[in-house]
Amino acid sequence: NAGVMQNPRHLVRRRGQEARLRCSPMKGHSHVYWYRQLPEEGLKFMVYLQKENIIDESGMPKERFSAEFPKEGPSILRIQQVVRGDSAAYFCASSPDQQGAYEQYFGPGTRLTVT
Amino acid sequence: AQTVTQSQPEMSVQEAETVTLSCTYDTSESDYYLFWYKQPPSRQMILVIRQEAYKQQNATENRFSVNFQKAAKSFSLKISDSQLGDAAMYFCALRATLWGGATNKLIFGTGTLLAVQP
Repeated sequence: NAGVMQNPRHLVRRRGQEARLRCSPMKGHSHVYWYRQLPEEGLKFMVYLQKENIIDESGMPKERFSAEFPKEGPSILRIQQVVRGDSAAYFCASSPDQQGAYEQYFGPGTRLTVT
Repeated sequence: AQTVTQSQPEMSVQEAETVTLSCTYDTSESDYYLFWYKQPPSRQMILVIRQEAYKQQNATENRFSVNFQKAAKSFSLKISDSQLGDAAMYFCALRATLWGGATNKLIFGTGTLLAVQP
């Protein structure tokens, strides 16, 4: 069973460009979470999605950031008009569908650098 | 608000010795879960150990164990027989359950960087 997959692993964007980060959860997992880790800091929750639904987006910046998890395909975290402050590692995690399951399994992260 | 605090930015331990990493948290929930994650230089987040708040028994995974003090809201990690491969950043995390269980987000502490001296 492959783990959580994220791509790309490294992404370089110029200020003003768009960044698209992809996350494929583990097989059998329909819960996806995105976290951001700024340099020298811990992980901060951004958004929690289930298939075709955003459950909790309390950690998402109000502007430029959006996330989706379509019925088919990976979850996408989209950052429009990137700025230097968006440079960070973005981690995706997934958890199983079973009721009561609570562990989150993390992908390797995408390191976004804005130049 | 639910918070997680790790007051030790850095710790050091000799190989084969024991080290304890501290974590305190705050939540108004009665049912919650606590975790320790390890982040080596590769930056991959690896689950080390988990604890359900309703269980009084401290969790143990091989050389890793926790001291869970629910009344004090303390959740420390003990690493026995430390190995060079244990060197990493360690994060304590609380699974928040809000709005009747509508969210499962993890709240992380700021981490403790553990160095293992040969």
